[in-house]
Amino acid sequence: AQTVTQSQPEMSVQEAETVTLSCTYDTSENNYYLFWYKQPPSRQMILVIRQEAYKQQNATENRFSVNFQKAAKSFSLKISDSQLGDTAMYFCAFMKGVSQGGSEKLVFGKGTKLTVNP
Amino acid sequence: DTEVTQTPKHLVMGMTNKKSLKCEQHMGHRAMYWYKQKAKKPPELMFVYSYEKLSINESVPSRFSPECPNSSLLNLHLHALQPEDSALYLCASSYRGITEAFFGQGTRLTVV
Repeated sequence: AQTVTQSQPEMSVQEAETVTLSCTYDTSENNYYLFWYKQPPSRQMILVIRQEAYKQQNATENRFSVNFQKAAKSFSLKISDSQLGDTAMYFCAFMKGVSQGGSEKLVFGKGTKLTVNP
Repeated sequence: DTEVTQTPKHLVMGMTNKKSLKCEQHMGHRAMYWYKQKAKKPPELMFVYSYEKLSINESVPSRFSPECPNSSLLNLHLHALQPEDSALYLCASSYRGITEAFFGQGTRLTVV
């Protein structure tokens, strides 16, 4: 079974600064996907960034980037130029790769509550 | 349209009531999911439908009954719930389960 560990229950950062959220995972699979989701108080889960395990290049989306270390099974999220709107719960998630039209579930970490202070 | 729409947004029901949660998406996704989320916890998977067929049931009690009438619609029928079933119920969809899941805003359910 796959597990996802987020070791930082809470973090805070000053507006405009950079913060890194940690995530490690355990799997014996070779084909998988990793995601960071954001859940603000409005409660909708919003995809921040995704990474395919077969891609060596780290994914980036504007101010958000990941450091994907496949051998170490580490997938950290870096938020640059933090904004007040980044305040939310951040979940790291793992999904096994699927073939032939099947479906698989997301395995979530316990989350990191990030507060951006003005 | 990258939306997953859930109704209602809030629901209060008694332990003897029957109610349904509804989820709709028009992205052509063929995998749809129900998750349950308690406060300050990650979402827990309940059911997965793939091509309108139930493919994963995470040993959910029978008082929760999912239904997928067509490729755009997913229902969760609720009957004889317990107060501990109070939670945020999230619906999600993805393209054949091999890409990221898009989530709805959830239904906040309170069982009294």
